[in-house]
Amino acid sequence: DTAVSQTPKYLVTQMGNDKSIKCEQNLGHDTMYWYKQDSKKFLKIMFSYNNKELIINETVPNRFSPKSPDKAHLNLHINSLELGDSAVYFCASSQVASGGADTQYFGPGTRLTVL
Amino acid sequence: AQSVTQLGSHVSVSEGALVLLRCNYSSSVPPYLFWYVQYPNQGLQLLLKYTSAATLVKGINGFEAEFKKSETSFHLTKPSAHMSDAAEYFCAVSGATGGGNKLTFGTGTQLKVEL
Repeated sequence: DTAVSQTPKYLVTQMGNDKSIKCEQNLGHDTMYWYKQDSKKFLKIMFSYNNKELIINETVPNRFSPKSPDKAHLNLHINSLELGDSAVYFCASSQVASGGADTQYFGPGTRLTVL
Repeated sequence: AQSVTQLGSHVSVSEGALVLLRCNYSSSVPPYLFWYVQYPNQGLQLLLKYTSAATLVKGINGFEAEFKKSETSFHLTKPSAHMSDAAEYFCAVSGATGGGNKLTFGTGTQLKVEL
């Protein structure tokens, strides 16, 4: 069974379009995250939700809007896509939201290409 | 702010040789430190983590890391490299204080294993 899954795996779209990436975890975790990995493989956190509540928002443009319908799902909607949004987006989850020691489990990633 | 620095963006070793991937951290509070591995076109998988229980941490696939406070280091080692170890390795630090479990990653080290 896949612990953290993301759809789609690949997403190719034109500038200006709106797109969504979905994430689901079946680990029973309370906290979920979105990370962005750029072309140089640098990973940076974007958002974190704990039990459907936003707890981390890392100066991401407001074109990016996360939505958590329940604690097992965290979706990422991106409006007015730009070339610079091309990256691999990773979803992750962990049992708890704070303390720092908890392991984060990552999904397989969604490769977004904006043309 | 917490950060990690990975020395060497590319490391090449012969199969059977020692693997040493370097990571130094910067933190004003006791850090939690992680090593993750990313195989091509896959998500990140936890190799091991330091949570202050023991300074020598053993992980999966024969990897281990030693936390050295005096050197602010958490280098990753494996006695004998295998071809299957070829991947991207990321060191990361997580805060032990509030604000959510934000992983701050290093820039990654690409490990190449040659015959």
